Amino acid sequence: DGGITQSPKYLFRKEGQNVTLSCEQNLNHDAMYWYRQDPGQGLRLIYYSQIVNDFQKGDIAEGYSVSREKKESFPLTVTSAQKNPTAFYLCASTDPRGGTGELFFGEGSRLTVL
Amino acid sequence: GESVGLHLPTLSVQEGDNSIINCAYSNSASDYFIWYKQESGKGPQFIIDIRSNMDKRQGQRVTVLLNKTVKHLSLQIAATQPGDSAVYFCAEISNFGNEKLTFGTGTRLTIIP
Repeated sequence: DGGITQSPKYLFRKEGQNVTLSCEQNLNHDAMYWYRQDPGQGLRLIYYSQIVNDFQKGDIAEGYSVSREKKESFPLTVTSAQKNPTAFYLCASTDPRGGTGELFFGEGSRLTVL
Repeated sequence: GESVGLHLPTLSVQEGDNSIINCAYSNSASDYFIWYKQESGKGPQFIIDIRSNMDKRQGQRVTVLLNKTVKHLSLQIAATQPGDSAVYFCAEISNFGNEKLTFGTGTRLTIIP
């Protein structure tokens, strides 16, 4: 089945450690996104990529890094510079040529920093 | 910056009744809006969308209304069911083709049996 797969679903890390969240899609979508969601809040854009080997900062990029070496993959690294990394992270993708702005989301990764 | 906000953070509705979830946006240049449903611990799922050249769009049991004059949109869910309990987000794109969605805070809808 086509879709977006995020892993791991739950992740615990000690303060000061970098962690990398995986996002893979087999929808052949050019554009991919990372959002952060905190309890009782909406989604905030961290980074997005509209094409392979290119990405742009979103609204809250500080303390995060990404890469887009392959169309299917858009991993997010939460670095030790991120002051409050505990959150629910959502990856999404879309086909900009599809005629709609619909984002397809993964099931999310919940990161807890102890 | 531009923002999309919701009037009510929580809403409780009796099963079988209709529900209305509201959303205000501030960017008059927004040209595309989407409603998403998010169940606990899961990613958001697309419900319905509407372009700025429309004021109403209907889906299965859902209707989205757009009032550009007051920059307001709403999601109406008819004959609510327990499975409708979730958080509902509105999102807007101000530069269609840029695909950079701005999400509102969300409204938690609870269906009372």
